[in-house]
Amino acid sequence: GQNIDQPTEMTATEGAIVQINCTYQTSGFNGLFWYQQHAGEAPTFLSYNVLDGLEEKGRFSSFLSRSKGYSYLLLKELQMKDSASYLCAAIEDYKLSFGAGTTVTVRA
Amino acid sequence: SAVISQKPSRDICQRGTSLTIQCQVDSQVTMMFWYRQQPGQSLTLIATANQGSEATYESGFVIDKFPISRPNLTFSTLTVSNMSPEDSSIYLCSVEITGGYNEQFFGPGTRLTVL
Repeated sequence: GQNIDQPTEMTATEGAIVQINCTYQTSGFNGLFWYQQHAGEAPTFLSYNVLDGLEEKGRFSSFLSRSKGYSYLLLKELQMKDSASYLCAAIEDYKLSFGAGTTVTVRA
Repeated sequence: SAVISQKPSRDICQRGTSLTIQCQVDSQVTMMFWYRQQPGQSLTLIATANQGSEATYESGFVIDKFPISRPNLTFSTLTVSNMSPEDSSIYLCSVEITGGYNEQFFGPGTRLTVL
């Protein structure tokens, strides 16, 4: 099974940078996903890491260290619309196990 | 990506009744999944819906409570049986798209309230 930990909530100001950390313990690991979920909506795919290193996608970047069981999602140039829950999910075989999510609040 | 629809989008049901949720995808997919998201919590996998065979259930979920059908590669149903208020939750289906990162795309969810 999987044990996935991430902070419950974070607050930042518009234009700033926020880093959401995620640690995982798993018996088998095939990659790590980050999803964004706005209140009342379904999760939407943000990024995927399977190899160590940084994947950059516009304002969002995700990092993975397999040896440390650690990932982070970096949100740059924060906008009000980035206020949402961010879910870290590890994949074992074909199954996703989700962390509890980090609620990010962006303030003006 | 894939376009996924779910019916109903929300429902309010009485204790002891059952509700069947439908999930329709606009393309053929091999892997379909059903998740539950209880208020304020993250997603928990209920089962993998297998086409042509019984669903594969996760620990804590059983077929009698959550029967699943998968008659073809674009459609699946999840039934929440003999409901109690503890079943109040959002139920989401997802599909895995092969050829990319094998990421999962989620339907809009069904918000269920059991009185």
